[in-house]
Amino acid sequence: QSVLTQPPSASGTPGQRVTISCSGSSSNIGSNYVYWYQQLPGTAPKLLIYRNNQRPSGVPDRFSGSKSGTSASLAISGLRSEDEADYYCAAWDDSLSGRVVFGGGTKLTVL
Amino acid sequence: EVQLVESGGGLVQPGGSLRLSCAASGFTVSSNYMSWVRQAPGKGLEWVSVIYSGGSTYYADSVKGRFTISRDNSKNTLYLQMNSLRAEDTAVYYCARDVPGPEDYWGQGTLVTVSS
Repeated sequence: QSVLTQPPSASGTPGQRVTISCSGSSSNIGSNYVYWYQQLPGTAPKLLIYRNNQRPSGVPDRFSGSKSGTSASLAISGLRSEDEADYYCAAWDDSLSGRVVFGGGTKLTVL
Repeated sequence: EVQLVESGGGLVQPGGSLRLSCAASGFTVSSNYMSWVRQAPGKGLEWVSVIYSGGSTYYADSVKGRFTISRDNSKNTLYLQMNSLRAEDTAVYYCARDVPGPEDYWGQGTLVTVSS
């Protein structure tokens, strides 16, 4: 059971906007930055969002992140078929000295 | 160019040991925080361990006391010594730099299978 809680699945049609939630606690999301990763089958995770809402260079502005209290969200607008992947949130956890916690992952299906 | 190349994975019996290596290039491992993250077949990501630039190390409860993270600065290589392996340790193990962070890097992963 993951420390950060994500819905196991999400779906949308091309062009739609979808959001993926990530729920934590005061010791992780509540007091630290949230990061989002995209993982395509058979590949290593790729950073999508850092420090709650910042995009690394090369990540389309269709991807956006937000945080409020002990929860965070990843939004994908103008959904495309190539967005079909697994998405994970992550954060440092102050109650687990020096440790990182991941969400259980959300499988996004583009219908 | 930053590159991380893991090696050392394979099939090992329960109770056995294995040492994973992660050869780094394009940066100095001792100047960054280096982690191991694993992913069991069909499952999500699980953070395993980290070593900070100052040498401090931390472990997930699931591996504490069995796994040891270390680095060889002269070889610019990160290691994960895994002892008393269990079936539930079966996973792809990723070596990663500065995870999570504004600019992180991941290796391609190496598969560890614990089975008799």
